[in-house]
Amino acid sequence: NSKVIQTPRYLVKGQGQKAKMRCIPEKGHPVVFWYQQNKNNEFKFLINFQNQEVLQQIDMTEKRFSAECPSNSPCSLEIQSSEAGDSALYLCASSPPRGYEQYFGPGTRLTVL
Amino acid sequence: GDSVTQTEGPVTVSESESLIINCTYSATSIAYPNLFWYVRYPGEGLQLLLKVITAGQKGSSRGFEATYNKETTSFHLQKASVQESDSAVYYCALGDQGTGYQNFYFGKGTSLTVIP
Repeated sequence: NSKVIQTPRYLVKGQGQKAKMRCIPEKGHPVVFWYQQNKNNEFKFLINFQNQEVLQQIDMTEKRFSAECPSNSPCSLEIQSSEAGDSALYLCASSPPRGYEQYFGPGTRLTVL
Repeated sequence: GDSVTQTEGPVTVSESESLIINCTYSATSIAYPNLFWYVRYPGEGLQLLLKVITAGQKGSSRGFEATYNKETTSFHLQKASVQESDSAVYYCALGDQGTGYQNFYFGKGTSLTVIP
């Protein structure tokens, strides 16, 4: 079973508010991913890190979304100004060195009212 | 582009019957696709069920099997005899072995209900 920890499990925000969620990857996993799963069950890749460095991020992430993976602290994903369309399940995953698979946390369910 | 298409649910099967969930992929920008099946049981997180990284190989776990068929670009999930505890949502995923940091492409999931 995955040991990726995500907090909080549920997050409720008003439009325009900041929303921040955290992820602790499995120990020893250098690569961390963030995905958004919407109500239609579609996954959207947002950003990934190797150690503290951003590897890839989509355009959406560059505008209102910010993320970081500081050394010795949880990774975080923050939405600066939440919109109704941001309501989704946000999944964090980590990948072991030279590994092909990803291990997922339980997710943070964001509801933007 | 790169994408995954799988059987649209929901799927309902009686216990001890066989199951197949279809998955096909498109890997136009991925030179060396890796294929995965993930499962989400009720109230739980997404778990890796099985993986295959080499075309022509078969992966298996918990009685489920899937063969990576490069010719038909498919990775169908099969089980000979399902149990009630197999009720879950199953996701097919495509990764890229060529990069050191694969972001996955997921199908939209297939909800399976097994009737006792």
